[in-house]
Amino acid sequence: GAGVSQTPSNKVTEKGKYVELRCDPISGHTALYWYRQSLGQGPEFLIYFQGTGAADDSGLPNDRFFAVRPEGSVSTLKIQRTERGDSAVYLCASSLTPPGALTDTQYFGPGTRLTVL
Amino acid sequence: DAKTTQPPSMDCAEGRAANLPCNHSTISGNEYVYWYRQIHSQGPQYIIHGLKNNETNEMASLIITEDRKSSTLILPHATLRDTAVYYCIVKSGNTPLVFGKGTRLSVIA
Repeated sequence: GAGVSQTPSNKVTEKGKYVELRCDPISGHTALYWYRQSLGQGPEFLIYFQGTGAADDSGLPNDRFFAVRPEGSVSTLKIQRTERGDSAVYLCASSLTPPGALTDTQYFGPGTRLTVL
Repeated sequence: DAKTTQPPSMDCAEGRAANLPCNHSTISGNEYVYWYRQIHSQGPQYIIHGLKNNETNEMASLIITEDRKSSTLILPHATLRDTAVYYCIVKSGNTPLVFGKGTRLSVIA
């Protein structure tokens, strides 16, 4: 079946601009995670949604970063006033597991490579 | 911070078994051991996970020691396409994955 998809695959923007990155999770997956991966590093957690609500946003680096998931499916990560340090690959993952489960298996999309000039 | 320790790199001859070790001496009773891999320029790929019993699927086997303080991921017949960074992660519940630096496995022809 279809996996997690992310658009665009690449995004180049100028410092100070606003960007939106989209994630389409696997159909029926209630949990959705955003991660960011800088060059040579492992992915780092940003935010976790269970359904429509953000269950954990402790990884967002500052208030320029915001994410929504209004209908509990597609999610958009929004970055305001982009800075060169925001350049990274932004990864989305989804899982089927409901809240309170003993564990969950996350499946990742291919990522969006963001370059801020 | 990641709760696991892995060697930074390993080599394996094509067709041979690749055995990737991971130490997780502070693992809690309700934490599972997960393995993911990341092939260059792709998103992480789920491989396998386990709690205390050994597990096997079509991709790999996971051997967890009885005290659960370490584990080994086994790729029984490594191919060139298995060249990737392999991450060992411990987690429980609906929590984020905490990635360390992983092991860079190079499969050599």
